[in-house]
Amino acid sequence: GAVVSQHPSWVICKSGTSVKIECRSLDFQATTMFWYRQFPKQSLMLMATSNEGSKATYEQGVEKDKFLINHASLTLSTLTVTSAHPEDSSFYICSARRGSSGSTDTQYFGPGTRLTVL
Amino acid sequence: GENVEQHPSTLSVQEGDSAVIKCTYSDSASNYFPWYKQELGKRPQLIIDIRSNVGEKKDQRIAVTLNKTAKHFSLHITETQPEDSAVYFCAARLFGNEKLTFGTGTRLTIIP
Repeated sequence: GAVVSQHPSWVICKSGTSVKIECRSLDFQATTMFWYRQFPKQSLMLMATSNEGSKATYEQGVEKDKFLINHASLTLSTLTVTSAHPEDSSFYICSARRGSSGSTDTQYFGPGTRLTVL
Repeated sequence: GENVEQHPSTLSVQEGDSAVIKCTYSDSASNYFPWYKQELGKRPQLIIDIRSNVGEKKDQRIAVTLNKTAKHFSLHITETQPEDSAVYFCAARLFGNEKLTFGTGTRLTIIP
């Protein structure tokens, strides 16, 4: 149990285009999903916290209008990188929180999406 | 906010020996401490976690210890194997908060 999928696994796009990444919890309902960015050989940097049915909470320094997050259901959150530029190239990973309290409250990660902007 | 420091950044051990990775956290209100293993280009995988109401937890060759007074927790891997080679991240979460604060990671290399 506790499987999180992410699609696509990799994407190459031209500068100026938008890219949508999907994150799904396959066997549990996730009231909260998180989006991270990871640069090579670095730690996970939280971009935003996404709660179903409400606006995402962005971390300081993350542009809301550039990284659009939608959490339409308890099993799906999407991240759209708008007007992508080469500096947006990175590994984007989502995670889903299973359980709201107690011993089952754990975050599980998706496999990540490698974005390359030409 | 919470701040998590992790040491060492790299660690090499002979196969069969033990490996220990240490993390310290800043906020005494943190009550949940997971450890993740990440292989190159793959997702972080939860390998063990501990909550503040216990001091130690063990799962086969992996154990985590928590010292709330000193605000540090450690990952112990015994009888290391080549497949243990990966980057390990510790994390901490404040009580009542949803976010995890990650350490900077430790690249563990098991030497055959």
